[in-house]
Amino acid sequence: GEDVEQSLFLSVREGDSSVINCTYTDSSSTYLYWYKQEPGAGLQLLTYIFSNMDMKQDQRLTVLLNKKDKHLSLRIADTQTGDSAIYFCADSTSGADGLTFGKGTHLIIQP
Amino acid sequence: DSGVTQTPKHLITATGQRVTLRCSPRSGDLSVYWYQQSLDQGLQFLIQYYNGEERAKGNILERFSAQQFPDLHSELNLSSLELGDSALYFCASSTGQGGNSPLHFGNGTRLTVT
Repeated sequence: GEDVEQSLFLSVREGDSSVINCTYTDSSSTYLYWYKQEPGAGLQLLTYIFSNMDMKQDQRLTVLLNKKDKHLSLRIADTQTGDSAIYFCADSTSGADGLTFGKGTHLIIQP
Repeated sequence: DSGVTQTPKHLITATGQRVTLRCSPRSGDLSVYWYQQSLDQGLQFLIQYYNGEERAKGNILERFSAQQFPDLHSELNLSSLELGDSALYFCASSTGQGGNSPLHFGNGTRLTVT
C-alpha cells in the first residue's frame, strides 16, 4: 500500500532555513501536499505541488519535488518562532480518495 | 479559518456509550472526509462522502458509521466506545471527489473516553 515517511523532529535556530523532508512510495501520486498543525488546531493547508512540477515557491516556502526518487521537501526561509508546529506531508493519486499522510515532523525553533 | 466547522470541540464520555460528531463543509464543497488522529497511529482516513453518497472507506471500525445529509453536512457516529477510541477526529472537505483538490480541515473534535 501507499506509504509516506517523514522524520519525527527537526530543530533549527531562529532566522535559519528549515528543510523538512518526505518520501513516498506511490509512483502514481498526482498531487503532494504540505500541511501545518499548531497545538490544539486543525491541519492548515500550506502549499501543494503537482507531480509534473519540480519546484514551487510561495513567499518563504519552497517546495522541491524529485519524482524519480519520490522525495519531497519543504524549505522555510528565515524560520520564526511562529513556524513552530507539526508539518505533514501527504500524497494523493488520481481517482483515489482521501490523502495518505506521513506521521508529521515536529519543527522546534531554538532562540 | 478553513471554513469547515466541527462540533463539539471537546467530548468526554464513558466506555460503552455512543456519540455523534458533526461537520459542516466549506461552502461549495461536495466531499467530506473523516480522519482520526491519535499519537500512536497518526492520521488515519476513516471514510469519505461525495454529494451524499459514500465514496470510499478507510480504516473505519464497524462500530463507527457516518452519513452526509442533503445540505452536505456530515455526522460521524461512534458507538460502544472503548478507551482506545480516545483521539482527535477531524473532518475535511474538498470540491472534488478524489485527491486532486486540496482538503480543508476543521479544528477537530477531541474525544476522551473514560
